[in-house]
Amino acid sequence: AQSVTQPDIHITVSEGASLELRCNYSYGATPYLFWYVQSPGQGLQLLLKYFSGDTLVQGIKGFEAEFKRSQSSFNLRKPSVHWSDAAEYFCAVATDKLIFGTGTRLQVFP
Amino acid sequence: GAGVSQSPSNKVTEKGKDVELRCDPISGHTALYWYRQSLGQGLEFLIYFQGNSAPDKSGLPSDRFSAERTGGSVSTLTIQRTQQEDSAVYLCASSLNGGWSYTEAFFGQGTRLTVV
Repeated sequence: AQSVTQPDIHITVSEGASLELRCNYSYGATPYLFWYVQSPGQGLQLLLKYFSGDTLVQGIKGFEAEFKRSQSSFNLRKPSVHWSDAAEYFCAVATDKLIFGTGTRLQVFP
Repeated sequence: GAGVSQSPSNKVTEKGKDVELRCDPISGHTALYWYRQSLGQGLEFLIYFQGNSAPDKSGLPSDRFSAERTGGSVSTLTIQRTQQEDSAVYLCASSLNGGWSYTEAFFGQGTRLTVV
């Protein structure tokens, strides 16, 4: 069965610093991959997705993610974090259904 | 509608009572998902409907939980004999397609269930 692992439960960065959130998946083939963000009191919003093609995908709010088949990873990156990026980030994989990781809570210090 | 709609937004119920949570997906979306998000936890998959196929119920935590989807549109998640550990936010999502023709899912705002 497919699974998604987000090894970092909580990450703290300073505003303006770079960010990388890790995501690893377990599945025999290449699944569809997603990153969602959940801001406090808000619903889940899709940041970006990978279906096929270019392994570096661009998303909203300046985020990007890179699919690495050899590492079964789909890490989310942002070169310069803003205070408004503080939120919970979820990686998800879709094969026959959509499965989420446990999330990474991002805290941003001024 | 413009988005996925869930009702009620908040529900407080007494332990042992039954509750029904409703989800109106985006019109035309064939796939519908229910998830549970407990405090500080990720999104726990509960059940998945895809078109006219039998639903994938593999995530339902106990036989107290059930869901149906009428006419391929509205879905109701029912929790019987609620327990305090059922307290969580229940999220519904829909997508145009599911399974191997997957398209992105859109989420509702959720129903916050509190069992007292």
